[in-house]
Amino acid sequence: QQQVKQSPQSLIVQKGGISIINCAYENTAFDYFPWYQQFPGKGPALLIAIRPDVSEKKEGRFTISFNKSAKQFSLHIMDSQPGDSATYFCAAYGAGNNRKLIWGLGTSLAVNP
Amino acid sequence: DAGITQSPRHKVTETGTPVTLRCHQTENHRYMYWYRQDPGHGLRLIHYSYGVKDTDKGEVSDGYSVSRSKTEDFLLTLESATSSQTSVYFCAISSTGDHGYTFGSGTRLTVV
Repeated sequence: QQQVKQSPQSLIVQKGGISIINCAYENTAFDYFPWYQQFPGKGPALLIAIRPDVSEKKEGRFTISFNKSAKQFSLHIMDSQPGDSATYFCAAYGAGNNRKLIWGLGTSLAVNP
Repeated sequence: DAGITQSPRHKVTETGTPVTLRCHQTENHRYMYWYRQDPGHGLRLIHYSYGVKDTDKGEVSDGYSVSRSKTEDFLLTLESATSSQTSVYFCAISSTGDHGYTFGSGTRLTVV
């Protein structure tokens, strides 16, 4: 049972374009939503995270948009660069999950030069 | 990655043999996790620990066992390796269990 659904599975964007990855969750008890970035041969690394008391969080070219009523959140990468090519995972956390993150299945992003 | 190391980085083993993967941290974090990563399946939690000698099962724990006798070390054992356990294994640590997971660089295990 996938509690966090991530789409698309793969994404190709031209350099300078906007990359958008979407996630939807079911459990209204989730209260922390991080995004992780993974380069080939490396472990995932925390990129940006949001709590449901805000609708948007921006860090450089990366923005999380959060829609609590729709139970959806998304990652926007502005001015996408070839160096952004990686796999991106969304995740969710709630106190009822025994200190475990619930993960989406990942999105493979390729940014063409 | 700083503060967390996995060993070995690569291993090839034969079906039916026992295998132990090691995760070592220098951050004194309470929570430690073992994941496996396979194409199309994302990150799947195998086992996790919330303290010394305190462990619990994840979603894909069958065929795996863990031990944590010290804060800094979390061992994952495949009692009798099978080809279906060919995967990339990641260890992660967290101070609080929610935000800021730090992952190791992974162990690529091939069972032939």
